Amino acid sequence: DTAVSQTPKYLVTQMGNDKSIKCEQNLGHDTMYWYKQDSKKFLKIMFSYNNKELIINETVPNRFSPKSPDKAHLNLHINSLELGDSAVYFCASRKEKGHADTQYFGPGTRLTVL
Amino acid sequence: AQSVTQLDSQVPVFEEAPVELRCNYSSSVSVYLFWYVQYPNQGLQLLLKYLSGSTLVKGINGFEAEFNKSQTSFHLRKPSVHISDTAEYFCAVMIKAAGNKLTFGGGTRVLVKP
Repeated sequence: DTAVSQTPKYLVTQMGNDKSIKCEQNLGHDTMYWYKQDSKKFLKIMFSYNNKELIINETVPNRFSPKSPDKAHLNLHINSLELGDSAVYFCASRKEKGHADTQYFGPGTRLTVL
Repeated sequence: AQSVTQLDSQVPVFEEAPVELRCNYSSSVSVYLFWYVQYPNQGLQLLLKYLSGSTLVKGINGFEAEFNKSQTSFHLRKPSVHISDTAEYFCAVMIKAAGNKLTFGGGTRVLVKP
């Protein structure tokens, strides 16, 4: 069973379009994250939600809007896609209590904006 | 703000030879330290972590790392690599008070040659 899953795995779209990436975790974790990995493999935090509440927003353009319908899901919606949005987006989750340090990552969604 | 520097962007190594990947960090407060591995076209997998206690940490796949507080380093080592260790390796820090976000280094690509 996949612990942290993302859909789609690949997403190719045109500039200006709006798209969503979905993330689900079945670990019972309380906190979820979105990270962006650019073409040089550099990884940077974008957002974090804890129990559906936004707790980290790292100066990401407001074209990016995370949505957490429940604590097992954290979706990423991107409006007016730009070439620079091309990257691999990783979702991660973490348990708030107990072993609160380890983040578990999804397989990534490779977004290509043409 | 914390930062992580991985001094080598690429490390070529022959099979069965030892490898060391260097990681230095800067932070004004105590941090947790992690090494993640990313195999080609996959997500990130935790190799090992340092939270407290013994400064020598053993992880999966024969990897170990040593925390050196005075040098603010957390170098990763493996005494004998396999072809299957070819991957990208990321050092990361977490400050517990900062929403538990991970700050990553730029990554080190390990290429194991036969």
